[in-house]
Amino acid sequence: DAGVIQSPRHEVTEMGQEVTLRCKPISGHNSLFWYRQTMMRGLELLIYFNNNVPIDDSGMPEDRFSAKMPNASFSTLKIQPSEPRDSAVYFCASSLGSGRTEAFFGQGTRLTVV
Amino acid sequence: SQQGEEDPQALSIQEGENATMNCSYKTSINNLQWYRQNSGRGLVHLILIRSNEREKHSGRLRVTLDTSKKSSSLLITASRAADTASYFCATDKGDTDKLIFGTGTRLQVFP
Repeated sequence: DAGVIQSPRHEVTEMGQEVTLRCKPISGHNSLFWYRQTMMRGLELLIYFNNNVPIDDSGMPEDRFSAKMPNASFSTLKIQPSEPRDSAVYFCASSLGSGRTEAFFGQGTRLTVV
Repeated sequence: SQQGEEDPQALSIQEGENATMNCSYKTSINNLQWYRQNSGRGLVHLILIRSNEREKHSGRLRVTLDTSKKSSSLLITASRAADTASYFCATDKGDTDKLIFGTGTRLQVFP
C-alpha cells in the first residue's frame, strides 16, 4: 500500500477563497483523522471519522471548516472562507480502528493563506 | 485540547548519549503511543504500550508507563544523528479510537 495520500502538498491562497484538502486513507482502515499543526498550538485533532461517519468534530474551530467522507477511500477538509490564521500544516491519518489505534500519517498539506 | 504534555520541550545531546523524554497526560487511557516526526514530514509510529503494561522495548527504544502518575517516558539509547526529530506521545481512551497528541519534544543529536 502507498500509505496515506494527501493532496495538494502545498497550497497558497488568498484570504476569502475556498480551500479543499484531500485525503486517501490506507485501504482497510476504518478510522480517519484530520489534524492541524502549528508552532503555537501543536498538533490539534480537528475531526475523527469511523466507518465514514463523523464521530467527533469537537476540534473543528469554526463553521468555516467542514469535513466529509463520502466513501471509505476518500475524505475532504474544506475551509470557506479561508483566513490568514488558518495557515498551518494539515495532516490526515488513518488507523484500523476498533481499538487498533496505531495511526499512519500522510505527508501533510502546508496551507498558506495570504 | 491536548491530552499530553511533554518535557523537555527541547533536548540537545551528543551521539552515543541516551535521550529521555517524558509525557504526562490527564485522563485514564487505554494505550499510549510514541511517534516521531522529521522536519517537514508526517508522524511515524514508534511504539505502543497498553495501560496494563509497565515497560516495553523495541530496538534502542524503551518505553515505561506509570498509570498511577499518568506519565510515560521514552528512552533512546546510544543516540545517533539520524535520531534528530520531534517526538510525540499520543493517548487513546478506549471508548473511541480518537488519538490525542502531546506537545512534543524536539531532539537534536550532534555528531
